[in-house]
Amino acid sequence: GAVVSQHPSRVICKSGTSVKIECRSLDFQATTMFWYRQFPKKSLMLMATSNEGSKATYEQGVEKDKFLINHASLTLSTLTVTSAHPEDSSFYICSAVTSGIDEQYFGPGTRLTVT
Amino acid sequence: DQQVKQNSPSLSVQEGRISILNCDYTNSMFDYFLWYKKYPAEGPTFLISISSIKDKNEDGRFTVFLNKSAKHLSLHIVPSQPGDSAVYFCAASGSRGGSNYKLTFGKGTLLTVNP
Repeated sequence: GAVVSQHPSRVICKSGTSVKIECRSLDFQATTMFWYRQFPKKSLMLMATSNEGSKATYEQGVEKDKFLINHASLTLSTLTVTSAHPEDSSFYICSAVTSGIDEQYFGPGTRLTVT
Repeated sequence: DQQVKQNSPSLSVQEGRISILNCDYTNSMFDYFLWYKKYPAEGPTFLISISSIKDKNEDGRFTVFLNKSAKHLSLHIVPSQPGDSAVYFCAASGSRGGSNYKLTFGKGTLLTVNP
């Protein structure tokens, strides 16, 4: 199956700093990437949809100025959590789709802890 | 308002027996359903899917049943193996592929298969 990677897998940062998370499709070109967030014992919540070369579409309640998404190429999307606060601590997961493939392939996730 | 519900947070079965995981949905616009398996601190792994035009899809030990009138689907795993122990997420979408391919997830069911 298609492989999606995320970097870093874990990150600890101080409150007020910004953190960038990368999502890469390793063996296919991802026309669309999605960013999800998962709280403990909760379902994955879609944050935004990212299309290569265009602005991301954010779900209701997600602050676009706080969660900056850039989809610079067909294999890379980045999520930057700006001015992070402890309540931003969560598990962030990306997924990718491409034309001709009906399933979303997920990355391994990034555990963000803001102290 | 949760559109995809997995009412059983956990399920425990004996090795070799059948595991049945249930999922209900409320949005009648959903027409594509998926099951994902997830280990702790990892991204979800696609298992099996079903389109609303079908009522059953089988892949090896995994079978998904869809009852559109009841807005209910289930995942059957038979025979269950200890390696199947994981959290299983039910997901639904109103379209396949492309930037509109948004998945709505349930909260997941923790399956434990005892040797």
